[in-house]
Amino acid sequence: AQKITQTQPGMFVQEKEAVTLDCTYDTSDQSYGLFWYKQPSSGEMIFLIYQGSYDEQNATEGRYSLNFQKARKSANLVISASQLGDSAMYFCAMRLKMNYGGATNKLIFGTGTLLAVQP
Amino acid sequence: KAGVTQTPRYLIKTRGQQVTLSCSPISGHRSVSWYQQTPGQGLQFLFEYFSETQRNKGNFPGRFSGRQFSNSRSEMNVSTLELGDSALYLCASSPLEGERVGYEQYFGPGTRLTVT
Repeated sequence: AQKITQTQPGMFVQEKEAVTLDCTYDTSDQSYGLFWYKQPSSGEMIFLIYQGSYDEQNATEGRYSLNFQKARKSANLVISASQLGDSAMYFCAMRLKMNYGGATNKLIFGTGTLLAVQP
Repeated sequence: KAGVTQTPRYLIKTRGQQVTLSCSPISGHRSVSWYQQTPGQGLQFLFEYFSETQRNKGNFPGRFSGRQFSNSRSEMNVSTLELGDSALYLCASSPLEGERVGYEQYFGPGTRLTVT
């Protein structure tokens, strides 16, 4: 089954410290993409970072980096130097091809991790 | 460049009514996807449109329908509303058909639907 698992319902981190949010995925496809989104209390889903299954290097976007371990099927998000504004829900998501091999923009989401940054 | 816009932002309806939600993708984007988010079920895929064609559909009853217009704007309709349809409905746009599993989707702010 194609699935995203986020095992941390909630996390606390001190301001200016780094934090790792866990994500494991399950798919037998060779070609897939992994995404992290941030959802503040306002509800909008904000794209943070993307990792392709064939990308050899871990993706980085500013303070965000994705620790991609393909053999372990994990795609953990690392936020460096946490800020109060990072407090939000974080979702890991995966995009696959359709059963017949065609293209799709459908995303499969995990259950999310609620991050609280403390001053 | 303007982001994805969704209207209305908030909506209150009564059981049995129907509702239409609208999504305008980022200019130049031709793919629109819809998601339902509830506390119990999380984020679930509803359907995906590209160039006015539905390319993929999630596991939702036929009361949920959608369409896409020639200008890429999309609407979704829910008929005979049930209490369980109360949710945040999110729309996402992408520039291309998903030929390459390799680019992000951008989400709108969502429409929060409450069914009483």
